[in-house]
Amino acid sequence: EIVLTQSPATLSLSPGERATLSCRASQTIYNYLAWYQQKLGQAPRLLIYDTSNRATGIPARFSGSGAGTDFTLTISSLEPEDFAVYYCQQRRDWPITFGGGTKVEIK
Amino acid sequence: EVHLLESGGGLVQPGGSLRLSCSASNFNFRTYAMSWVRQAPGKGLEWVSSLTAGGESTYYADSVKGRFTISRDNSKNTLYLQMNSLRAEDTAIYYCGKVMSGPTYYFDYWGQGTLVTVSS
Repeated sequence: EIVLTQSPATLSLSPGERATLSCRASQTIYNYLAWYQQKLGQAPRLLIYDTSNRATGIPARFSGSGAGTDFTLTISSLEPEDFAVYYCQQRRDWPITFGGGTKVEIK
Repeated sequence: EVHLLESGGGLVQPGGSLRLSCSASNFNFRTYAMSWVRQAPGKGLEWVSSLTAGGESTYYADSVKGRFTISRDNSKNTLYLQMNSLRAEDTAIYYCGKVMSGPTYYFDYWGQGTLVTVSS
């Protein structure tokens, strides 16, 4: 099973700041990585797929990068609605796995 | 807009069974793979099972293999998850997810979830 490790567990930032979230895979997953945002009480929402492609309707302030085992989600300037939990997910191999999540909270 | 609506959750005793349904609308259901993902209270996301568009191939997490069965009825635009031999650790919100075309096994649309509680 491919293990995804997200860091940090919690990121405390202010609106307007830049957020950088990390996801590390236990083995290469090429570029087969997605990012999701989940707000309290809501279902997850797909943000980024195949490392760097924004899903439909996702603002340009969200960007993804990386390859192999190390991946990054960047939010260029945090909006109030961006404070949430973010998960990475790999589709390189079965079973599909998710990272443990990074909570982006208001400082 | 794609719409997914789960139902069938509830309280069940350990060892019991439950069948979840996911009713899909506003997309061509029969041409997309579908999946179930769960989230235990206060925890992260855990993939449970996936099923190809035609239902010919199924995939399961080790934690549910042999106990859960995913299926679909394309004539009814509905996805199912039959859960048997339920355990306390199966307690979670269960989401159905539409798989992006390819299939890529990313989930581009999700339902609102249905809560399953396994407790005596």
